[in-house]
Amino acid sequence: AQTVTQSQPEMSVQEAETVTLSCTYDTSENNYYLFWYKQPPSRQMILVIRQEAYKQQNATENRFSVNFQKAAKSFSLKISDSQLGDTAMYFCASQGHSGGSNYKLTFGKGTLLTVNP
Amino acid sequence: DSGVTQTPKHLITATGQRVTLRCSPRSGDLSVYWYQQSLDQGLQFLIQYYNGEERAKGNILERFSAQQFPDLHSELNLSSLELGDSALYFCASSVAQGTPQETQYFGPGTRLLVL
Repeated sequence: AQTVTQSQPEMSVQEAETVTLSCTYDTSENNYYLFWYKQPPSRQMILVIRQEAYKQQNATENRFSVNFQKAAKSFSLKISDSQLGDTAMYFCASQGHSGGSNYKLTFGKGTLLTVNP
Repeated sequence: DSGVTQTPKHLITATGQRVTLRCSPRSGDLSVYWYQQSLDQGLQFLIQYYNGEERAKGNILERFSAQQFPDLHSELNLSSLELGDSALYFCASSVAQGTPQETQYFGPGTRLLVL
C-alpha cells in the first residue's frame, strides 16, 4: 500500500517570492512515479510536474521544480517567482508501476496555497 | 484543456435515485480511472478500466458500478444514492499502463449533489 502525507494544510506567499510545499510518501515498490497536481478554484485537476523514482535528477517545469530525496521518501515542490494564478490547492500523489492494482494515484490531503499581491 | 471530457458538469438529484456519469478519454488513451473527491475522504480511487476490461478496484461501493465501452468511453453508475455520495467525481485517462508515458490526465469533473 502507498501513503502520501502533506503536513502543511495551508500556506501563503507574496507575489514574486519562492515557496516550497512538502510531501512525504511511503511505498514498498521499487518502481514508482510521483506527481504534483494543482486544483484551482475551478476544481480542475492540472498536472504540474512528475518524477520517475529511478531518475536521480530532479524534475523541473519552468517555475516549478521538485526536490526528490528517495532515501528519505520526500518529494517537495518549489514554486519560484510566485504568481497570483498559482493560488490553488496542491496535491502530491504517488503511482506504482509493478502491475496489478498499483496504477492508481494515491493522493495526499492537499496544501492550500494563497499567493498575495 | 486536458482532452478528457465529462458529462454532465453538474447533477442534482434526490436520495434513492440512480445517475450515470460519462467520460470520454483523450484520443489514443486506453485506460480510464474514476476518482471521488469529497470533503471528508479527500481524493479516492474508485476503479480503473483498460481497453474495456476492469483492471483495478479501490474504495468503490457495491451501489456503484462502471464499464468501458468499445469506443473507450466510460460510464460510472451510482444507484440508491445517499446524501454522503455528494462529491466531485473525476475521470482520468492515460495512454496505457506500465509505460513511461503513464501520466493521468483529468477531466473537469462532475459535481454531484444529492438532496
